[in-house]
Amino acid sequence: EVLLVETGGGLIQPGGSLRLSCAASGFTVSSDYVTWVRQAPGKGLEWVSFISIGGVTYYTDSVKGRFTISRDNSKNTLHLQLNSVRVEDTAMYYCARGRLAGSGFDYWGQGTLVTVSS
Amino acid sequence: QSVLTQPPSVSASPGQRVTISCSGSSSNIGKNYVSWYQQLPGTAPKLLIYENYKRPSGIPDRFSGSKSGTSATLDITGLQTGDEADYYCGTWDGSLNVGMFGGGTKLTVL
Repeated sequence: EVLLVETGGGLIQPGGSLRLSCAASGFTVSSDYVTWVRQAPGKGLEWVSFISIGGVTYYTDSVKGRFTISRDNSKNTLHLQLNSVRVEDTAMYYCARGRLAGSGFDYWGQGTLVTVSS
Repeated sequence: QSVLTQPPSVSASPGQRVTISCSGSSSNIGKNYVSWYQQLPGTAPKLLIYENYKRPSGIPDRFSGSKSGTSATLDITGLQTGDEADYYCGTWDGSLNVGMFGGGTKLTVL
């Protein structure tokens, strides 16, 4: 059974850093696609970042240079490092298996909430 | 403002049919697969349609998808009150090398 569990969210001040994790089971993150998607309170879905099987990374413009996606193959876990966070980064962060360039996202985690506030 | 345009809301009565559109451009919908997601309040999104028209196992055939040119459509027939949710289209933009979602459509079953 495929399962994705996000952790690491919390309250953080503007300019701070946070690392989100997405622990996967039922598939191998190194040989599949996993994407981060976020949703600000009361707003729609926003694609954030994606890492290809070959390790190429992609980011939405608003987080380029601030967020970093990475994989820990030994722990079958995906990470999203958030640096220089802004109030507008406040959102529920989901990890999802798949990619929009392919067959979409067939499994989603429950999400982890990041709140950026002073 | 999303690059993919969806109507903010649609409504219909139980048993009726509703269509949700998703309009893009040649660099996104025009050249890539479209997927559709249903999000019930307080829950993670759920995949309804992938690769433009395919349904994952467990998704009833009341849900169907299509794509033509730079637009895609989600059709829901035999509406049920349990279908009340937000619906999102998603695709890849090969020129920008980013993923994108539509702004979402809130379905109300009256």
